[in-house]
Order: sequence, then structure tokens, then C-alpha cells
Amino acid sequence: KQEVTQIPAALSVPEGENLVLNCSFTDSAIYNLQWFRQDPGKGLTSLLLIQSSQREQTSGRLNASLDKSSGRSTLYIAASQPGDSATYLCAVGAGGTSYGKLTFGQGTILTVHP
Amino acid sequence: NAGVTQTPKFQVLKTGQSMTLQCAQDMNHNSMYWYRQDPGMGLRLIYYSASEGTTDKGEVPNGYNVPRLNKREFSLRLESAAPSQTSVYFCASSGTGYGEQYFGPGTRLTVT
Repeated sequence: KQEVTQIPAALSVPEGENLVLNCSFTDSAIYNLQWFRQDPGKGLTSLLLIQSSQREQTSGRLNASLDKSSGRSTLYIAASQPGDSATYLCAVGAGGTSYGKLTFGQGTILTVHP
Repeated sequence: NAGVTQTPKFQVLKTGQSMTLQCAQDMNHNSMYWYRQDPGMGLRLIYYSASEGTTDKGEVPNGYNVPRLNKREFSLRLESAAPSQTSVYFCASSGTGYGEQYFGPGTRLTVT
């Protein structure tokens, strides 16, 4: 059974810092990995999708990398801002008979203070 | 574009009552999903539908039915609600099972 772990569980940083959120998974037979952000009481917003054949994806100040063989992904946020404060979730997608199913980590709660 | 919409936003039920959570998407996506989010358990897949007319169980399917009414709509029905079904329910869709998933705003359900 796939298990996804996110470290740290919570992170508090001053504005302007560059930071890294970590995600690890136990089964490397994935077809993609998706990073989301969730604001309190809201739904999930997709940030980046990395297919299993890719090593990284970038969107603005965000960069996500994937190392399938070691079962790890990182989300790098450059020049953090208070508006980045949210919970960040990592989810891995399986193929084969598990087509379409995402397994989520517990999330990292990020607070960026002015 | 509305994306993925869910109704209602909040609902309180008594044990044994039934209700249907509605979900619709306007992105012409084939695949749709229902998740529940519980403190300490994270997000877990209840059911998904790879395409119109098909449904498949996820991690926690017991106690739910999922009519895929058409390509746009994917409902979640609770036939006899139980307190263990108190949760926040999210619907999502993707173009294909391998694609990026887009989530609705969620329904907060309390069963007393």
C-alpha cells in the first residue's frame, strides 16, 4: 500500500526566505505527482503536476522536483510572501489497476510572517 | 468557467437520514472523484469514475453510492448516514485518469 509522508508537519519563516517542503513515498511505481495548496476552510488548488518521466516542473516562484527511484519530491518556494501561508499537500498517482487514484500526504502547514 | 462546483456547502444530518451530495464540472473532463478529509487521516479517495457509466471503489467506499449521472455530474449518496461519516467531502475531476486533478470547494457534513 502506498504511503506518503510530508516533512516538516509545520514551518514558520520570515518573509523573503527561500524554503523547501519535502514529500516521500514508499512505492516508486507512480505515474505522476501533484502538489496542492489548501487555504483554511477551502478546497485544494493545484500548483504543479510532474509526470513520472519528468524530473521537475516550474511555475513562477515554485519549483517541484521528482526523484522516482528514491521515492522523493521537493517543493521549492522562492522569496516567500505572507500570501504563501497555507497547507501544502503532496499526492502521488498510481497506474495500472489503480488508474486515477491519488494518495495524499498529511500536509505541511506553512506560515510566512511579515 | 466555474470549474468544479459542489452543493450544498454545509449540511447537518441525523443518524439514519439519507442525502445526496452534488458535484458538477464544466471542463469536459472524463474522470471524476470523491474524497473525504478528516483530521489526522488526511484526504482519502472514496470512489472514482474513469468515464461516464463507470465507477470504481477507492480506499473508503463503505456506506456510499455514486451515480455518474452523465459526463458533467458525479453524485455521492449516503443511504443511511452514520456519525463516522462526519467529514469534509471534496469532488474533483481530471481530463483523464493520468491528468491534473481539479477540486471543488467542498461540503462540510455533520452527522449527529
